Amino acid sequence: KAGVTQTPRYLIKTRGQQVTLSCSPISGHRSVSWYQQTPGQGLQFLFEYFSETQRNKGNFPGRFSGRQFSNSRSEMNVSTLELGDSALYLCASSLEIGTGSYGYTFGSGTRLTVV
Amino acid sequence: GQQVMQIPQYQHVQEGEDFTTYCNSSTTLSNIQWYKQRPGGHPVFLIQLVKSGEVKKQKRLTFQFGEAKKNSSLHITATQTTDVGTYFCAGPIYTGTASKLTFGTGTRLQVTL
Repeated sequence: KAGVTQTPRYLIKTRGQQVTLSCSPISGHRSVSWYQQTPGQGLQFLFEYFSETQRNKGNFPGRFSGRQFSNSRSEMNVSTLELGDSALYLCASSLEIGTGSYGYTFGSGTRLTVV
Repeated sequence: GQQVMQIPQYQHVQEGEDFTTYCNSSTTLSNIQWYKQRPGGHPVFLIQLVKSGEVKKQKRLTFQFGEAKKNSSLHITATQTTDVGTYFCAGPIYTGTASKLTFGTGTRLQVTL
């Protein structure tokens, strides 16, 4: 079966711009989580969606937002980009929310560079 | 806040040597998961442990969940260059509204011939 698909793979944006990243989970998975990965901070939880509802949110400013559609596809948006937003953004899908009892399947990520 | 820490941060071994990474949580976990991320890649799920004191093996990899369900370890016997990557543990931590899968700080393994 197809894995988790994230688009685009690479993105270069200018400070102050906004960006939208997309994630298509594995078919049948209704939970989608987003993580930010940087060399210094590791994998930081952004938010989790299940059945089109945000179920949990990490400690990120309001510039970071997301949504989930009825087909479980998810998007995350970052507005007013800052240099510190440069990171690998990873999407993970799973059968259950929160506990990840069946393990998370990650996409290849979107590498965002803010200049 | 509630955290999941791993030690060491980095280890460099010669091929054939053993390797162990340790994971410690500030809170009791219902389960612990392990992931491997190859350089330039994304985390890949390896295994989940649920029971106190549980030990699972995958070929040369041995995973252990502590009795108090607050710590875990991953041991690799006779490392190979294919073991290179960063190993993360992860556990669900309740944040007051829901649980979130919280990842450890990771241990980067370098293996040389």
